Amino acid sequence: GENVEQHPSTLSVQEGDSAVIKCTYSDSASNYFPWYKQELGKRPQLIIDIRSNVGEKKDQRIAVTLNKTAKHFSLHITETQPEDSAVYFCAANSGGGADGLTFGKGTHLIIQP
Amino acid sequence: NAGVTQTPKFQVLKTGQSMTLQCAQDMNHEYMSWYRQDPGMGLRLIHYSVGAGITDQGEVPNGYNVSRSTTEDFPLRLLSAAPSQTSVYFCASRGGLSGTDTQYFGPGTRLTVL
Repeated sequence: GENVEQHPSTLSVQEGDSAVIKCTYSDSASNYFPWYKQELGKRPQLIIDIRSNVGEKKDQRIAVTLNKTAKHFSLHITETQPEDSAVYFCAANSGGGADGLTFGKGTHLIIQP
Repeated sequence: NAGVTQTPKFQVLKTGQSMTLQCAQDMNHEYMSWYRQDPGMGLRLIHYSVGAGITDQGEVPNGYNVSRSTTEDFPLRLLSAAPSQTSVYFCASRGGLSGTDTQYFGPGTRLTVL
């Protein structure tokens, strides 16, 4: 099955700086890669996703890049703000699609004032 | 639309007790699934369903049963609770059966087994 590795497990950045979280996946048939943000005690919320027919997608301060050859994808957050503090999860679908998502173990992003 | 709803929000069980976690969605989604979230482990797929009457196992199905009698509801049953099932459980749904459709999560149920 699919295996998703996520790094780092904790990331501390100064407010206003950029943050980058990286994930690798194992199943070459995977074609959907969402990123979720989870605040303490809340449900995971989709913040951005990318499908394998594109290499990059941007939504205001958030961007995701995908390298299918190397099987890795990254989340980029620019001009970080205190409200960006949360746990971020990457995920990838299993090749067949119906099998659901395989998640990384999460990155705790801390924005230092 | 209420989206994906789950009940209860919190539950404490004793070892060996049984219970059902409820999940419902009002978006007419065909695909529904259950995940558990443990500290440092991310979310792991327990069971999923691609439509009424159809269910299948995910990564960690042992100790859990599911059924799907309607499009709206997808309950998760613990037949004999064990401390290892202490976790936060999330139900999720998506509109299509394509693996590239957006998946939406419910608010979660925090379960403690003593």
